Amino acid sequence: KQEVTQIPAALSVPEGENLVLNCSFTDSAIYNLQWFRQDPGKGLTSLLLIQSSQREQTSGRLNASLDKSSGRSTLYIAASQPGDSATYLCAVNSQGSNYQLIWGAGTKLIIKP
Amino acid sequence: GVTQSPTHLIKTRGQQVTLRCSSQSGHNTVSWYQQALGQGPQFIFQYYREEENGRGNFPPRFSGLQFPNDSSELNVNALELDDSALYLCASSLALGQGVTNGYTFGSGTRLTV
Repeated sequence: KQEVTQIPAALSVPEGENLVLNCSFTDSAIYNLQWFRQDPGKGLTSLLLIQSSQREQTSGRLNASLDKSSGRSTLYIAASQPGDSATYLCAVNSQGSNYQLIWGAGTKLIIKP
Repeated sequence: GVTQSPTHLIKTRGQQVTLRCSSQSGHNTVSWYQQALGQGPQFIFQYYREEENGRGNFPPRFSGLQFPNDSSELNVNALELDDSALYLCASSLALGQGVTNGYTFGSGTRLTV
């Protein structure tokens, strides 16, 4: 059974810092992994999708990497801004899960001005 | 994108509720998730070409429909207090064998029982 873990659960850093959020999964048989952002009380905004054959994806200040063999993905945020404050979730589309996404519990990020 | 209605809903225990979703054009799957406060989304079920093709650990009083016009419904009968949550709809394009091109989420419906 696929399990997804995100570390740390919460992170508070000063504005301007580069930071890394971690996501690990127990079963490497995945189709893809997706990073989302969620603002309080709001829906989910897709940030990056990495297919199992890819090693990384980039969008603006965001870079996501995938190491399937070790069951790890990282989300790198460069030059953090207060507007980046949100909860970041990773979700895995796992083989045999019949399209169901398996979710981490999220990392709550606070960027201090 | 994906649109959901209504944005907020208040119901009494024992009542029935219908939540609606309009999928992103061109997508052929729709999934529904329940997200309690401070937790990750929990998979309710997924529809593919108007048939349910996956279900999470939710009782039969949670049911759904997917229509040919990219719209779908989540119905919940005999509402309980624990049903209070944010309900999220997501659509994707299934590429076969469990692979999708990633999920697009709506902003959610906040249900209070």
